[in-house]
Amino acid sequence: GDQVEQSPSALSLHEGTGSALRCNFTTTMRAVQWFQQNSRGSLINLFYLASGTKENGRLKSTFNSKESYSTLHIRDAQLEDSGTYFCAGTGSKLSFGKGAKLTVSP
Amino acid sequence: NAGVIQTPRHKVTGKGQEATLWCEPISGHSAVFWYRQTIVQGLEFLTYFRNQAPIDDSGMPKERFSAQMPNQSHSTLKIQSTQPQDSAVYLCASSFDTGQLYFGEGSKLTVL
Repeated sequence: GDQVEQSPSALSLHEGTGSALRCNFTTTMRAVQWFQQNSRGSLINLFYLASGTKENGRLKSTFNSKESYSTLHIRDAQLEDSGTYFCAGTGSKLSFGKGAKLTVSP
Repeated sequence: NAGVIQTPRHKVTGKGQEATLWCEPISGHSAVFWYRQTIVQGLEFLTYFRNQAPIDDSGMPKERFSAQMPNQSHSTLKIQSTQPQDSAVYLCASSFDTGQLYFGEGSKLTVL
């Protein structure tokens, strides 16, 4: 079965607002990675975490390895943040969630 | 650093023909991964190599798909007797060991 459960599957935000995406893991993961897939289809690294919290600009991610979940927080959303966001858990191999399509509107 | 390079970016092939996709990992990265992405199935793991050795090919369809890594600077994914259901974007990624993954821009395969 699926090892990575990602939610929500879609999200709409107005510019300047924020929200969070979440991934739950059904097996033990050594680390989590978050990617943004842009309109060209390129998967861009956002974060790699073995534990704890990392922040980069308007994005922040946490990984709670004990409770097997990770979150990606977006604040002050901009139009260029639109795209599909994937989390991936590193266990025996990298397992991806099904993605969350984010649409940011003016 | 040019990143992971995949060629061709687009390939259209007829049913039953062979398709070969190439991947050049980031220099110095020891792990190379192949994934396939479709709207229906999402991102599917196919196979990965570490230090050129095949480690896990559990995601590879057994009969028509094969992957090789003849040297540290490139890997190939070959699909024989292509079928319409093989149409997908094939993504290659590399990393130091199995740490943070860096993806190429993908090869979009269309089988008519």
